[in-house]
Amino acid sequence: DAKTTQPNSMESNEEEPVHLPCNHSTISGTDYIHWYRQLPSQGPEYVIHGLTSNVNNRMASLAIAEDRKSSTLILHRATLRDAAVYYCILRDDQGAQKLVFGQGTRLTINP
Amino acid sequence: KAGVTQTPRYLIKTRGQQVTLSCSPISGHRSVSWYQQTPGQGLQFLFEYFSETQRNKGNFPGRFSGRQFSNSRSEMNVSTLELGDSALYLCASSFGGEYNEQFFGPGTRLTVL
Repeated sequence: DAKTTQPNSMESNEEEPVHLPCNHSTISGTDYIHWYRQLPSQGPEYVIHGLTSNVNNRMASLAIAEDRKSSTLILHRATLRDAAVYYCILRDDQGAQKLVFGQGTRLTINP
Repeated sequence: KAGVTQTPRYLIKTRGQQVTLSCSPISGHRSVSWYQQTPGQGLQFLFEYFSETQRNKGNFPGRFSGRQFSNSRSEMNVSTLELGDSALYLCASSFGGEYNEQFFGPGTRLTVL
């Protein structure tokens, strides 16, 4: 399973953008980059995923480096409800549902 | 539509006992995966079922088993419980195809005394 490296924790202020980095230097050509987050006392929830191009959805944006060895999850305007552990996961999307979670980044949002 | 439901939400057992946890996926989802979450090991994949067949398995001992029914509902069983089995057990469902967003349930908190 390809591995990812994320900072253990990050802190930001409410209504400011947040950039969560992820390194995945051993990524293969068929690996998709997925992000999930886990809010306190809840199961993880899907945030976004991409392969090569930057992606946007209602929750966040995903910026993928040209060499695909790193990516950044961008929360454009953080709210207190965005405080969670964010996981960057590589998946070979051949139908396998296995998610390999690392330790993730614990994001704290200050009011 | 209704989300993934897991029952029971909390469970207390003693060492040596066995336990069965249940997961009802989102309607239309055919894949159900199970994960164990502990403070020390984080989130670890247990196994995945798709159309009543185990399709993928994590690195857990044989005491951990599961099954899936024709309506896609799934159960996981842990026999001969050990103290280290105390954890949050999470179930996730998806369509199982190329669009692989997984939807997680709230989990079952198992405490082994």
